[in-house]
Amino acid sequence: DTAVSQTPKYLVTQMGNDKSIKCEQNLGHDTMYWYKQDSKKFLKIMFSYNNKELIINETVPNRFSPKSPDKAHLNLHINSLELGDSAVYFCASSQGVQKISYNSPLHFGNGTRLTVT
Amino acid sequence: AQTVTQSQPEMSVQEAETVTLSCTYDTSESDYYLFWYKQPPSRQMILVIRQEAYKQQNATENRFSVNFQKAAKSFSLKISDSQLGDAAMYFCAYRPRPTTGTASKLTFGTGTRLQVTL
Repeated sequence: DTAVSQTPKYLVTQMGNDKSIKCEQNLGHDTMYWYKQDSKKFLKIMFSYNNKELIINETVPNRFSPKSPDKAHLNLHINSLELGDSAVYFCASSQGVQKISYNSPLHFGNGTRLTVT
Repeated sequence: AQTVTQSQPEMSVQEAETVTLSCTYDTSESDYYLFWYKQPPSRQMILVIRQEAYKQQNATENRFSVNFQKAAKSFSLKISDSQLGDAAMYFCAYRPRPTTGTASKLTFGTGTRLQVTL
């Protein structure tokens, strides 16, 4: 009965590799997000999709590419991984009748700890 | 740019006591939502409480309550009768009402680590 699920939970890889993190939500929400939490626990939004459409695209390297095949899934692909990409990546979802859903709380997945060596 | 400030990197409280975590934010908007999230060692982000800016009444959820001072742009979290399970990182977050055709972001503070002692 998991609401927002991410896989994998842990990901250890070498510099230069390409990796993907998958996210699925079964809450029926229409908006999904990717957040990055750095080593100091600071959480920063990376991307947001509403009904498969990109609505927030923060200043992140273009090595990061989100993909939303449908409104229940939002995957994150990272090319040419660098040491600085090591962090915990959180997927989240929220509900909004329209694109804008500022009053709906975000429901988070349990995070993916990415370690780049 | 909207910013959220949590000036207490760490706090400690004894079991059964009350603790208040502070949060201030900077915005020129009048309509927005404020949230407190809890992140225990399990890493999960859990919504604790939320407050609508146009509601003067402070939100309450069981042992958790807020002191929302809109003019001062302050949004503190009070935890009463603290329990060992309350030990976690607590994040304050702000989200404005977006303008037409745009999306709004949930912006987090830097967090306060709460320790609960016996």
